[in-house]
Amino acid sequence: GQQLNQSPQSMFIQEGEDVSMNCTSSSIFNTWLWYKQEPGEGPVLLIALYKAGELTSNGRLTAQFGITRKDSFLNISASIPSDVGIYFCAGRKAAGNKLTFGGGTRVLVKP
Amino acid sequence: DAGVTQSPTHLIKTRGQQVTLRCSPKSGHDTVSWYQQALGQGPQFIFQYYEEEERQRGNFPDRFSGHQFPNYSSELNVNALLLGDSALYLCASSFYGSYEQYFGPGTRLTVT
Repeated sequence: GQQLNQSPQSMFIQEGEDVSMNCTSSSIFNTWLWYKQEPGEGPVLLIALYKAGELTSNGRLTAQFGITRKDSFLNISASIPSDVGIYFCAGRKAAGNKLTFGGGTRVLVKP
Repeated sequence: DAGVTQSPTHLIKTRGQQVTLRCSPKSGHDTVSWYQQALGQGPQFIFQYYEEEERQRGNFPDRFSGHQFPNYSSELNVNALLLGDSALYLCASSFYGSYEQYFGPGTRLTVT
């Protein structure tokens, strides 16, 4: 089963808002990655993090590798309608290249 | 620059049958990983291939097997299909030793 817990499970955004989501685990991970998946497509890599405390940006997206190495955070600034989709965190432990995924945060537009 | 491609896009099979899914990695990548994504869940790691050998395996039964060819493309085979095997099967490619995996669009398998 899933070892990574993502919250919130879903959220509504209004254009221009900043939004945050996080990913937590009871285990230590050595690499954190954030992906976005849209309907009918595979996940698209957004940001990769390699060191505890690391803060990395990709346009309006900023992600952080938690100090405890058991969590990671993703922020989207000034959201726009095309930010809609499912955001997944994925972690890699010390041994091997297997990625463990969270259950996803579904981002929807406020009606 | 061609990304990861998968075929077929959709597939419908009957319980007990066998299925083969195909993946071509992103240009320059030599490592292929396969994931199963059930509806409403995150992908789950099946196995990874490098240099035509299975290098790491997730918690999946032996009914799931794979192969990697000298041109780095890969196949996922599933025998004795169960209803619970219905899912989106994703292929991801990377350079060996890199942790950044790039996904294809997936193959939607429905078992009836």
